[in-house]
Order: sequence, then C-alpha cells, then structure tokens
Amino acid sequence: GESVGLHLPTLSVQEGDNSIINCAYSNSASDYFIWYKQESGKGPQFIIDIRSNMDKRQGQRVTVLLNKTVKHLSLQIAATQPGDSAVYFCAETASYDKVIFGPGTSLSVIP
Amino acid sequence: NAGVTQTPKFRVLKTGQSMTLLCAQDMNHEYMYWYRQDPGMGLRLIHYSVGEGTTAKGEVPDGYNVSRLKKQNFLLGLESAAPSQTSVYFCASSDPPGGIGTEAFFGQGTRLTVV
Repeated sequence: GESVGLHLPTLSVQEGDNSIINCAYSNSASDYFIWYKQESGKGPQFIIDIRSNMDKRQGQRVTVLLNKTVKHLSLQIAATQPGDSAVYFCAETASYDKVIFGPGTSLSVIP
Repeated sequence: NAGVTQTPKFRVLKTGQSMTLLCAQDMNHEYMYWYRQDPGMGLRLIHYSVGEGTTAKGEVPDGYNVSRLKKQNFLLGLESAAPSQTSVYFCASSDPPGGIGTEAFFGQGTRLTVV
C-alpha cells in the first residue's frame, strides 16, 4: 500500500552546519510533496512544498529536492540554528486526495 | 485570524465513555482532516472531509465517527473509548491538495488519555 518512510529517525547536527533529512515514498501517483516542522507541544507547520514536475525548490534557508526515479525526497537546512530543533515530517499526496505523512525525523541542534 | 482551533486541549476518559472533539477553521477551506499521532509514529489519517456534508475514511477509521455539518467545523467522535485510542489528535484544514498554496494548517492538538 501507500507509504512514506524516513531513513533517519534522529539527526544531531552542530549549530551552523547544514542538515539533510531524507524521505522515501512509494506511491508513484503522488504528485505533491510537503515538508512540515513540528515543535514540541505544537501542531505541524508547513515549511516548503514541491510538485512532481520540479526537482528542486528553494525557500529561506531550506531546499527540497525530489528524485522521482528513486522516489526520494530530501530537505536541506542551511546554517542550522537551535530554533530548527524539531521533528520534521515529509508528506505526499496525489492531487485532490488525502495527505499521507511519514514517521518523522527528530533534528537536534548542538550549540 | 485564529486559523484552526481544537477543543478541548486535554481530556481523560474512562474506558467505554464517549466524547466529541471539535475542530473549527476560519479560512474557508474545503478540506478538513483528523489525524492521530502516537510516539515514534507519524500522523495517521483517521477521517477526512472534502467539503460540507461529506466525509471519508482514512487509514485508521475504526472506533471513530465524524461529521461535517458546517464548512467551518469538523467533529470527531469516540462512541466507546478504548485505551488504544490514547493519543494526540490533530485537526487540519486545507484547500484541495495540489493547488496553489494548498498546504494544510494544523490545530494545536488534543491530548487524550483513556484509562
């Protein structure tokens, strides 16, 4: 069935370094992918999205890469800051369909 | 602009009791979702709605019912609570996925404990 999974359940990085969070998806019909950030005690918050007709999209300090050939999604955070410590979820959906979330990666930034 | 509001924020139920979780959004979104989040797991979709008066099952619908009588509200009901339903519940709303600016907005969550 459909599934979205993450390779790394936890990730620790030094403040100022770049972070890379990976995600695998299995539904070939998915055409819209989203990264969410969830801070402790809060609901997930949208970070960045990408459509299947793109392979890269950049935001402020974040970049999402999509490799449809191997069904892989990644989130890159530049110059990681303590405020980036959170759980990050990738999510996938086919247009006008339900959104499916992966299990999450916990990012810990070491000052 | 409140966004997505969930009530209550915390609740403790005894096994067999019933309760309703309320989700309200003021963004005029068509889609609304109920997820549960358990430790070490992602968000699992319970039920969702693509518009007023319509609901559909998600990944884990058993033991839950929903209603979308008004566009801005999405209710999640537990008819007979079980300890396995102890979880954090999140409501979200969005416009149809895949369109422009259609990310989901989440509420703050409801922490439910069934004893």
